[in-house]
Amino acid sequence: GAGVSQSPSNKVTEKGKDVELRCDPISGHTALYWYRQSLGQGLEFLIYFQGNSAPDKSGLPSDRFSAERTGGSVSTLTIQRTQQEDSAVYLCASSHTSGIAKNIQYFGAGTRLSVL
Amino acid sequence: AQKITQTQPGMFVQEKEAVTLDCTYDTSDQSYGLFWYKQPSSGEMIFLIYQGSYDEQNATEGRYSLNFQKARKSANLVISASQLGDSAMYFCAMRGSKTSYDKVIFGPGTSLSVIP
Repeated sequence: GAGVSQSPSNKVTEKGKDVELRCDPISGHTALYWYRQSLGQGLEFLIYFQGNSAPDKSGLPSDRFSAERTGGSVSTLTIQRTQQEDSAVYLCASSHTSGIAKNIQYFGAGTRLSVL
Repeated sequence: AQKITQTQPGMFVQEKEAVTLDCTYDTSDQSYGLFWYKQPSSGEMIFLIYQGSYDEQNATEGRYSLNFQKARKSANLVISASQLGDSAMYFCAMRGSKTSYDKVIFGPGTSLSVIP
């Protein structure tokens, strides 16, 4: 498709389980971002990829969170041993990395994670 | 550290009237970018407008304009001729360029309700 695709759209899991969230960016976009949005809150930056490398991991809340990107395309955000406070919408965005276009991030519809 | 402040948690405006959503920011970067995004109740994040710190003219995109006052570190969004479809959350965001990789931070958002 033409837009940023995230899967699953909804995920319900039990406390302590691991989850994987997937993001498929717009073709040709080398920058990829993960954000977390708790209910009624703004966006919290998690991690940024430039190609396959992640120069900025400063937003990852704990070592239970990790992310990777392969082939400069699809990215996976993994949360190990989920906790109830991990419940949120996880948003992925992609953009170009040069010129004016780098300033426009295109967002996916998000994955709504619920940890019971 | 960079920070975005949006002091209006909720705003109401009459249909067809103009409305200003406030945004102030804090950064030590000399070069930075400011953005506004719209998030309707459906959840998707929609890019509205961008202003570079060195741009002399205020950015405009259709009914949206950004009132950029660099000395006051404010980047207010002005929506003219409000429409019912403008009811949404609005987020102000900023990217700095101090390092080779750019991190975008978001404000807490303002909820706008357009009254018929």
